[in-house]
Amino acid sequence: GDSVTQMEGPVTLSEEAFLTINCTYTATGYPSLFWYVQYPGEGLQLLLKATKADDKGSNKGFEATYRKETTSFHLEKGSVQVSDSAVYFCALSDPFTGGGNKLTFGTGTQLKVEL
Amino acid sequence: SAVISQKPSRDICQRGTSLTIQCQVDSQVTMMFWYRQQPGQSLTLIATANQGSEATYESGFVIDKFPISRPNLTFSTLTVSNMSPEDSSIYLCSVEAFPRRDTRGTGELFFGEGSRLTVL
Repeated sequence: GDSVTQMEGPVTLSEEAFLTINCTYTATGYPSLFWYVQYPGEGLQLLLKATKADDKGSNKGFEATYRKETTSFHLEKGSVQVSDSAVYFCALSDPFTGGGNKLTFGTGTQLKVEL
Repeated sequence: SAVISQKPSRDICQRGTSLTIQCQVDSQVTMMFWYRQQPGQSLTLIATANQGSEATYESGFVIDKFPISRPNLTFSTLTVSNMSPEDSSIYLCSVEAFPRRDTRGTGELFFGEGSRLTVL
């Protein structure tokens, strides 16, 4: 079945450091890929997405590129801020297993950014 | 977009009891989803609830344990029945909405803050 694997947290960085959160996936079909973020006390929010190979999703300084050859969708940001502290979830939607809004999530990676 | 309110935000329950979680959306939506996040694990889809029809449950989840109501286009409830400590989780309500009012294709998922249940 489909699965998403992301690096375990917590990840602790200093402000302005470079961020990478790794995400790899397995899927039956050609999935769409997503990053969701959950800030403290709030619901999950879509951060960015990519729907086909080599697409790059970007938002709020975060980027992730859909790499079919390595089945990866790593999240990156060049300079993190304290306000980026949150839990980040990688997810996929596979048309072969329901597609649409039927998402398979990773376990989430907590990011803590310190001054 | 869609703003989702869930109640309760957290609760501590006794083994063998049942608890109903409410999900209210600020706009009419066709599809609503219920997810569970067990400690240290990823979110797992429990069921899809469309207004006017019975909920569709994912493998491993059954209606007797997780009955769902969907009385209208802005509201749904999930009941966790006959709870055991293994049911201690965060339960999240999610809806599909179309940010630019273009209903073609797949919309975006919006999530509530979740309801954190602890079963003793």
